[in-house]
Order: sequence, then structure tokens, then C-alpha cells
Amino acid sequence: KAGVTQTPRYLIKTRGQQVTLSCSPISGHRSVSWYQQTPGQGLQFLFEYFSETQRNKGNFPGRFSGRQFSNSRSEMNVSTLELGDSALYLCASGLSATNEKLFFGSGTQLSVL
Amino acid sequence: TQLLEQSPQFLSIQEGENLTVYCNSSSVFSSLQWYRQEPGEGPVLLVTVVTGGEVKKLKRLTFQFGDARKDSSLHITAAQPGDTGLYLCAGPYQGGSEKLVFGKGTKLTVNP
Repeated sequence: KAGVTQTPRYLIKTRGQQVTLSCSPISGHRSVSWYQQTPGQGLQFLFEYFSETQRNKGNFPGRFSGRQFSNSRSEMNVSTLELGDSALYLCASGLSATNEKLFFGSGTQLSVL
Repeated sequence: TQLLEQSPQFLSIQEGENLTVYCNSSSVFSSLQWYRQEPGEGPVLLVTVVTGGEVKKLKRLTFQFGDARKDSSLHITAAQPGDTGLYLCAGPYQGGSEKLVFGKGTKLTVNP
């Protein structure tokens, strides 16, 4: 069974640009959560999707958005990039909305110059 | 304030030594999970502890959940270079929006 796939693995952008990250969950998993990981703050929750609906959202500005498609694949978008957005963005899939066992992808390392 | 506090933040030891890392909270958790994250990869779930006082063993790793379900520890016996990584604890938090809240982790380096 394939794991969680995140693309791209690495991304370099400049301030003011926008970026879209993609996540394909494990087959059969319908919940996708996104986390931002930085050395100083650790893993911080961005949002969670289940059956194409955003169930929960973390404390991030509106520049951060996401969506989930009918095949459970998810994308997150960051507009008007800032230097502080440089981080590892992790996607995690779960079997259901209430299942707390998460399976993480390898992440997308975003660098904003 | 971090809901889950992990200590120490960094730990560098020699191969063969034993070590313990801690995950503490002032809140009660219904369960706690431990993940290991290697450089350039996402966290991988090692174990879930559910019952207060529970002890689980995974080869040389021993996980304990505190009686009051507010803390957990991970003990590694005879550490090996392959144990190097970031160890994260996480738990479901009913008061927040996220499914799981994470500690900041303990970065372990095992030198050969």
C-alpha cells in the first residue's frame, strides 16, 4: 500500500509569490491534515479536511488556504509569501474524521527568499 | 504556552548508552502517541499509550504513560546510531481545533 505522497519535495520562492502544495493520502483514507514545522515552533496545525470539507482550522492568517478533492487528494495554497513562511509543510492522512492515528508524508520543504 | 512539554530539547550520547526523554502536560490526555522523525522525512508513529500506568515495549524502546495520564516517558536501552532522530509526543486535545497537538520534540543524536 503506497504511503502519503507530497509534491514537490523542495520549493524555493521569493517574497510576494504564491505556492501550491499537493498531498495524496493513503488509499482509502479520507482525512487529510496539514501541519507547518519549524525548528522554533515545532509542528503547528494548519487545517484538516474530511470528505472535501474543512473540519478544523488552526491559528494561521487567511493567506493559508486549502481544499480537498473528491478522490481525497488535498492541496494547500499560501499567497503573498513572507520570509517567515519558510518551513517544512507536512501532510498527514487518517482513515476517518475521528481516527487519531496519523500517517505523515515526507513533507515539502519551502524556502522563501 | 506549549500544551505538551518535552525534555530535554537536545540530547547527544554515545552508542550503547541508555537514555530517557519526557513528555509532560498539565492537562489529562485520553492517550498519547510517540513519533520518530528522521531528517528530511515526516514523523512515523512508534506507539500509542492509552491506559494510565501502561508500559509498552518496542525492542529496545520502552514507553510509559503516567498514572494520571498527564505525562509519558520514552526510555531507550543501549542506543544505536539508527536511533538518531527527533522524538515527538502527541495527543488528542479536546479544547483545540486540531486532531492531535504535538510537543516540540527531543532531538537525539547517537554517536558511533
